Amino acid sequence: AQKITQTQPGMFVQEKEAVTLDCTYDTSDQSYGLFWYKQPSSGEMIFLIYQGSYDEQNATEGRYSLNFQKARKSANLVISASQLGDSAMYFCAMREASGNTPLVFGKGTRLSVIA
Amino acid sequence: ETGVTQTPRHLVMGMTNKKSLKCEQHLGHNAMYWYKQSAKKPLELMFVYSLEERVENNSVPSRFSPECPNSSHLFLHLHTLQPEDSALYLCASSQGFQGTNEKLFFGSGTQLSVL
Repeated sequence: AQKITQTQPGMFVQEKEAVTLDCTYDTSDQSYGLFWYKQPSSGEMIFLIYQGSYDEQNATEGRYSLNFQKARKSANLVISASQLGDSAMYFCAMREASGNTPLVFGKGTRLSVIA
Repeated sequence: ETGVTQTPRHLVMGMTNKKSLKCEQHLGHNAMYWYKQSAKKPLELMFVYSLEERVENNSVPSRFSPECPNSSHLFLHLHTLQPEDSALYLCASSQGFQGTNEKLFFGSGTQLSVL
């Protein structure tokens, strides 16, 4: 079974608008971490934001915020005031406390920001 | 200078060639990783080294051979590859190996084409 599911292969958003990228996850661990990465056409994976499973407040980093709904096992990324430079692939990832498993990634969502 | 540097950026090789991918991290991290990124598939973890010891090998074919001579350098030796091995190979590092909040820092990848 997939650990990380990103159901939107592609998304379009108008410049200066907000956009939500969906991510659901599957784990039986109580302790885990959720990450979002951005991959522009250059190829490098850039860390955006982190949410711990025990964090009570949603994580925020500048224009990025994570809408964490633990009961639904959902960790959606919200990008406010989209910019043309936000056009990229976005990956949701999870790290579980059990075992030695490093980050497991979803298939990604391609975001295109339109002027 | 970026934190994680990969060379070469692009590589074209025949099925009988031997080549090596190089990764160097300047972040003082103790763990290094090789991921494979194929089109329309999630990133696949190939190998993990923690303190220069291999801790994960996800059933990767023996035609891929990793080497970690010290905590700053990681190599992926390639030998008699197949066309389906064509992909973006990403190197990453992290401060530690345990912990659900371990952020991975990635290089820009090597785009490999096997003819």
